[in-house]
Amino acid sequence: EVQVVESGGGLVQPGGSLRLCCAASGFTFSKYAMSWVRQAPGKGLEWVSGITNTGGDTYFADSVKGRFTLSRDNFKNTLCLQMNSLRAEDTAIYFCVKGRGSIRDAFDIWGQGTMVTVSS
Amino acid sequence: NFMLTQPHSVSESPGKTVTISCTGSSGSIASNYVQWYQQRPGSAPTTVIYEDDQRPSGVPDRFSGSIDSSSNSASLTISGLKTEDEADYYCQSYDSSDRWVFGGGTKLTVL
Repeated sequence: EVQVVESGGGLVQPGGSLRLCCAASGFTFSKYAMSWVRQAPGKGLEWVSGITNTGGDTYFADSVKGRFTLSRDNFKNTLCLQMNSLRAEDTAIYFCVKGRGSIRDAFDIWGQGTMVTVSS
Repeated sequence: NFMLTQPHSVSESPGKTVTISCTGSSGSIASNYVQWYQQRPGSAPTTVIYEDDQRPSGVPDRFSGSIDSSSNSASLTISGLKTEDEADYYCQSYDSSDRWVFGGGTKLTVL
């Protein structure tokens, strides 16, 4: 079964850091671009970041650029989002998403999400 | 910045057909593929349409997607509505500045 499973969410103080990871299984991880999408409580979907299949290129929403970094380990089938200088507005469910191919291709498989709460 | 605009909500009766629109703010919506995602309450999104009009395996053919270049919009049409179709629906497309853009979402009520 193709699936992605997020981990690492939790409660963090403003200005703090958190590392989210996503474990992929059931497909050849190294062939597909991956992304993170978040959803603030009661709000819509917001794309956060994406990475090419090789990890050679990363892309970020303006709202997180300079604070978040994205990396992948194609040997461990893992994707990780390092989030620094967290703000209250980063509070959201973070979904790991598998692309259908390249970075410009549609998303197809979504994880169940991991909750990040930024609060003092 | 490129934006996608959806109606906040739509409602229709079981067995009927509903269409949800997604309008691009600039450029041509036909320049990049449009996707549609369904999100039921308390669940993660799932893909119902990709590349404008393609259905993933397992998605019933009651779901269809289309592009109208004249109005710079995409549409998701659901026919033979069922109560299980009640959900939030989001359109999505790729922006020329290397980022993904989602519409604000449309709440579909089947009553």
